[in-house]
Amino acid sequence: DAMVIQNPRYQVTQFGKPVTLSCSQTLNHNVMYWYQQKSSQAPKLLFHYYDKDFNNEADTPDNFQSRRPNTSFCFLDIRSPGLGDAAMYLCATSRELGNEQFFGPGTRLTVL
Amino acid sequence: GEDVEQSLFLSVREGDSSVINCTYTDSSSTYLYWYKQEPGAGLQLLTYIFSNMDMKQDQRLTVLLNKKDKHLSLRIADTQTGDSAIYFCAEVGTGRRALTFGSGTRLQVQP
Repeated sequence: DAMVIQNPRYQVTQFGKPVTLSCSQTLNHNVMYWYQQKSSQAPKLLFHYYDKDFNNEADTPDNFQSRRPNTSFCFLDIRSPGLGDAAMYLCATSRELGNEQFFGPGTRLTVL
Repeated sequence: GEDVEQSLFLSVREGDSSVINCTYTDSSSTYLYWYKQEPGAGLQLLTYIFSNMDMKQDQRLTVLLNKKDKHLSLRIADTQTGDSAIYFCAEVGTGRRALTFGSGTRLQVQP
């Protein structure tokens, strides 16, 4: 059974057109993370939520925002996607900070 | 800052053992993980080891940790073509919220 679900799996958007990626979890974990992974690179943490507390990484561009309306769902909003934002976006959850993280299948974003 | 390094590529023949190596710099690492990523997919947690352990075995997987040298390895016995993927080593230390990933090792299994 899927535990971390991401929708859509593939997203195509135009340069500058806002896009929202979705993540949901059935694990009831406290922490949800968003990572950006570019080709042949390690995932890079953008931000995470511990419950309702939002924590942004220092080098995450302002173009990226996130919302967590409840325990199960977390959204990644890209306000004005640029060509450099094309990547795989991975959502992950963990019970507590520092515990093992469980990843979703990712959303591959293409920017035209 | 924390750093995790892996070799980029490993090629083995089907049926042989694969050993993927990882080194890290943070002496406060508490958990060390191995993730597998197949093409176009997310990361699948394979196994992990606590920093107070030397070895962990799980079916075909053996994780060895040398805490003194800050060296972690993943051995896959009887490697199959389905094991072809990128393997990421990751660690997290006390008080840190995020995993630090290595750059990944691409394992190619030749029939």
